[in-house]
This record gives sequence, structure tokens and C-alpha cells, in this order.
Amino acid sequence: DSGVTQTPKHLITATGQRVTLRCSPRSGDLSVYWYQQSLDQGLQFLIQYYNGEERAKGNILERFSAQQFPDLHSELNLSSLELGDSALYFCASSVIAGGTQYFGPGTRLTVL
Amino acid sequence: AQSVAQPEDQVNVAEGNPLTVKCTYSVSGNPYLFWYVQYPNRGLQFLLKYITGDNLVKGSYGFEAEFNKSQTSFHLKKPSALVSDSALYFCAVSPNSGGYQKVTFGTGTKLQVIP
Repeated sequence: DSGVTQTPKHLITATGQRVTLRCSPRSGDLSVYWYQQSLDQGLQFLIQYYNGEERAKGNILERFSAQQFPDLHSELNLSSLELGDSALYFCASSVIAGGTQYFGPGTRLTVL
Repeated sequence: AQSVAQPEDQVNVAEGNPLTVKCTYSVSGNPYLFWYVQYPNRGLQFLLKYITGDNLVKGSYGFEAEFNKSQTSFHLKKPSALVSDSALYFCAVSPNSGGYQKVTFGTGTKLQVIP
């Protein structure tokens, strides 16, 4: 158990819908990262937050947004969902930005 | 821009034989280097990291990695492979220069240990 929690574990929804994925980092970790993992795209970095502020952006679509709250938990919002958004979404946290990351178990999103 | 290359999509090795999973990187300045492992339907787990000091880094489950600055490589090794080592392995790099640094992951190498 890495100490990073993600909810929900599974999510099934329809195209065009909006979903919110939630992540609670390890106690004491200030940095949160979001990743998308699909069979054909591998592990894609989406976005990084440090103590509530956005610090780095990767291949995140405009339909996707995220934020880190004062209690350091983070949410990833995915809207206007498409079939291709079906993937595993991982959250990770670290004490410092660029340090060792601890990954959550992931949320498996299926868009039908 | 920083990058990581894992040149082999899959590595097959017989149980009991030594294994090597290759990683090369490109980053400005000195690197932080990491190896992570992912078992099926699980998140990535930290194996080991290089920050500074001894070029040979020892990590979890008997794995080790050697930092080679001249070849910009950080290959993962284990003297004797176990069937339970079969998993997906990711190399990652970030610049060791302070501040808010982005971590870049490789595309992953699937390790198959054959009984």
C-alpha cells in the first residue's frame, strides 16, 4: 500500500458525459501528479501540482482539467468524454517536485 | 527537453539467469534517475533511484542499477531472475537542479521471466 488513495476504482460512463476522479496523496506529500495509461499510448503525464499550484503540464487535453485543494487532495475532471478516453488514470504524490513518486491504485475509466 | 529511451519493448529471460533492462536518458545538467515496476492491474511501485554518489544503486527485490554518465545510461539489473519479476518496468528522469522539476517516464519494458 503506497498511501495514495484514488476513488472510484472503476467508472463506466457514456460518451459526452463528465466525470471527476479523486486522489488523496500520502501524508506530508505536497506534490500531486496525474497520468493516463492506455494500451496504445503507454504512460502519459497529464499534469502536476505542488502545494495547490499547477507546476507542469503534459499531454492534457483541453477537455480535461485538474486542481489541488488546500487539504492537498486533487481532482481530475474529464468532460465531453470520448471512447478514446477509456484508460487507467493514475495519481501519484511526492514530497518534493521531481522526487520519488508514490502511485495510487488507479481509476479504470470505461467510456461506452 | 529531457527524454528517456527504453529501447526494448520486451525482454525475455530464463528463470535463474541474470537480467538487464536498458534505459538511456537526456537531461540538462545532472539527473535524478528512477526505476518503477508495474504489476498487472496495479499502480507503479518505486524500485530504486540515483541522486548522487555511488554509481551502483541497490533497490527493492534484489534489483540494482548502474549510472553511467558518459553513456547517459541507467540500466536495471538483477543477478538471478524470478518468475515473479515478470512485470512492466519504467525508467524515469528529472533534472537535479532544484525548483519544480518535471519527471519524464520512458515507454516501459515488459519483462517476461520464463520458468
